Amino acid sequence: SQQGEEDPQALSIQEGENATMNCSYKTSINNLQWYRQNSGRGLVHLILIRSNEREKHSGRLRVTLDTSKKSSSLLITASRAADTASYFCATDPTDKLIFGTGTRLQVFP
Amino acid sequence: DADVTQTPRNRITKTGKRIMLECSQTKGHDRMYWYRQDPGLGLRLIYYSFDVKDINKGEISDGYSVSRQAQAKFSLSLESAIPNQTALYFCATSRGTDSYNEQFFGPGTRLTVL
Repeated sequence: SQQGEEDPQALSIQEGENATMNCSYKTSINNLQWYRQNSGRGLVHLILIRSNEREKHSGRLRVTLDTSKKSSSLLITASRAADTASYFCATDPTDKLIFGTGTRLQVFP
Repeated sequence: DADVTQTPRNRITKTGKRIMLECSQTKGHDRMYWYRQDPGLGLRLIYYSFDVKDINKGEISDGYSVSRQAQAKFSLSLESAIPNQTALYFCATSRGTDSYNEQFFGPGTRLTVL
């Protein structure tokens, strides 16, 4: 069964707008990671947030983590057409990652 | 050159055939993983290996086997392929020195079983 579930499943926005994706998980974790996947390609690591952190930034990415609600959000600011991809959260309740089902983001120019 | 490579990139085969997917890495990582991805779903772990002598079943290991030939090589076999094994297969690696195990993925193998 999936540990993480992303919401929404799909998101369409215009260039310049912000995109927010949410991830909920079921059990306690050591850290939570976000990955990006361009269509049919391998996943690429974006950012990792530790269980004792609440917010982290990397360029146009902002990740928050609420361990009390077992949820995380990924915000992409000032989106670009090149941000079009699927985004997955991944958690590590044990010594291996468990991936969510992903959010498909479409950014229109 | 890519750090994690997979061969073949695409394969079409018939039910009952034996198939081997190969993964090689130049990152020097101890840990290697095999995942499958089905349309609209996330990645599901098939097998993983934390070093050359360590092999572990993942969430969906039935119908698959693996071989860790060296630190850099991890192969996935389908002994008798069936149509519901049609999927995108990914190999990944990680350092494994602590719990912050960012994974590095290969480009994937698209397998179709007719």
